[in-house]
Amino acid sequence: NAGVMQNPRHLVRRRGQEARLRCSPMKGHSHVYWYRQLPEEGLKFMVYLQKENIIDESGMPKERFSAEFPKEGPSILRIQQVVRGDSAAYFCASSRMGLGVETQYFGPGTRLLVL
Amino acid sequence: QKEVEQNSGPLSVPEGAIASLNCTYSDRGSQSFFWYRQYSGKSPELIMFIYSNGDKEDGRFTAQLNKASQYVSLLIRDSQPSDSATYLCAVKGWYGGSQGNLIFGKGTKLSVKP
Repeated sequence: NAGVMQNPRHLVRRRGQEARLRCSPMKGHSHVYWYRQLPEEGLKFMVYLQKENIIDESGMPKERFSAEFPKEGPSILRIQQVVRGDSAAYFCASSRMGLGVETQYFGPGTRLLVL
Repeated sequence: QKEVEQNSGPLSVPEGAIASLNCTYSDRGSQSFFWYRQYSGKSPELIMFIYSNGDKEDGRFTAQLNKASQYVSLLIRDSQPSDSATYLCAVKGWYGGSQGNLIFGKGTKLSVKP
């Protein structure tokens, strides 16, 4: 029973390049959340998606960042024209649709380093 | 601004002792509360959640919730060196359904000394 999968696990980009981070939710899960963890900082919510829908992107920077969760395939977090301040660990979490308390399970994360 | 506050620590306890981790939150509308454990360089791992006032026990872990005081805690009995990690408190509000993002505290670093 595979957990949340993320790739790549490590990504190095130069300033101005694009970064694409992928997340495949756990089997049976239809909700995906992206969080960012800066060094020595807490986890910060970025965006919440269901298949083909962005439900809440209130934590996403207005520029350069976008996310999608297509009908087929993984969720993708895209960062255009990366800057050094984008260096962080990006975690994806997934949950299942249903009533009651929803629990989110995290993937291993993608560590982005911008040179 | 919804906030979750935790003492950053480090909290140091001897092996076999009880570790007590505390968390306060600002939004009275918060409905459910989660404790995650995060080892250095790893991803958060869910320990347990609680949504009713009182205590909830799961093995060596007990979560305690007091909504009137906006306070949630995690007790770890018989602490082991392998419990040494950062413990993250997370809170979820009410969004008209059961889904919604988590708001995390910065975490408390726990060190269990052999």
